[in-house]
Amino acid sequence: DTAVSQTPKYLVTQMGNDKSIKCEQNLGHDTMYWYKQDSKKFLKIMFSYNNKELIINETVPNRFSPKSPDKAHLNLHINSLELGDSAVYFCASSQQGEETQYFGPGTRLLVL
Amino acid sequence: GNSVTQMEGPVTLSEEAFLTINCTYTATGYPSLFWYVQYPGEGLQLLLKATKADDKGSNKGFEATYRKETTSFHLEKGSVQVSDSAVYFCALSDSGGGADGLTFGKGTHLIIQP
Repeated sequence: DTAVSQTPKYLVTQMGNDKSIKCEQNLGHDTMYWYKQDSKKFLKIMFSYNNKELIINETVPNRFSPKSPDKAHLNLHINSLELGDSAVYFCASSQQGEETQYFGPGTRLLVL
Repeated sequence: GNSVTQMEGPVTLSEEAFLTINCTYTATGYPSLFWYVQYPGEGLQLLLKATKADDKGSNKGFEATYRKETTSFHLEKGSVQVSDSAVYFCALSDSGGGADGLTFGKGTHLIIQP
């Protein structure tokens, strides 16, 4: 009965590979987000989607492409992975009209 | 733009000590304010929030009061436990319920020693 879930929890891969991270929420929310947490624990918004529509696209390389097949899912595909992409990626969700966001457990990505 | 400043730590305290983690913010509007906690190896959990000036958020013995005049939202707890060891993030939202991201501070690593 996890509210916001992400898979995989850990991802170790080589530079240049393409990988995807999946996120699902069962809270009935209509807005979902991706955040990146760097090695110093700093959290920064990457993308937000409302009702499957892209709302925020911060200054993120276009190697990162989010996809929202429905309101409950927001996946993140990363092409041509680089060393600097190593981080923890958090998915979150909220309901439009509410400002509280609920976070998933994170995906720890290590690019070698 | 919006920003959140908090003491980075690590902050090391003995069990049962009084805790204060300072947080100040800059925002163009009237934001909602949050404290999130991240336990080792886990995701972020909402600890407490306040949506307007003079509101006090509280949970699990932690409290924070929204002070508009000093643009602050300091986190306090009267008697900390070893299990409170975690990273604490102050955050704000001025989206009014829209799809904007939260603006986070850099996090404060709290270590409680028995």
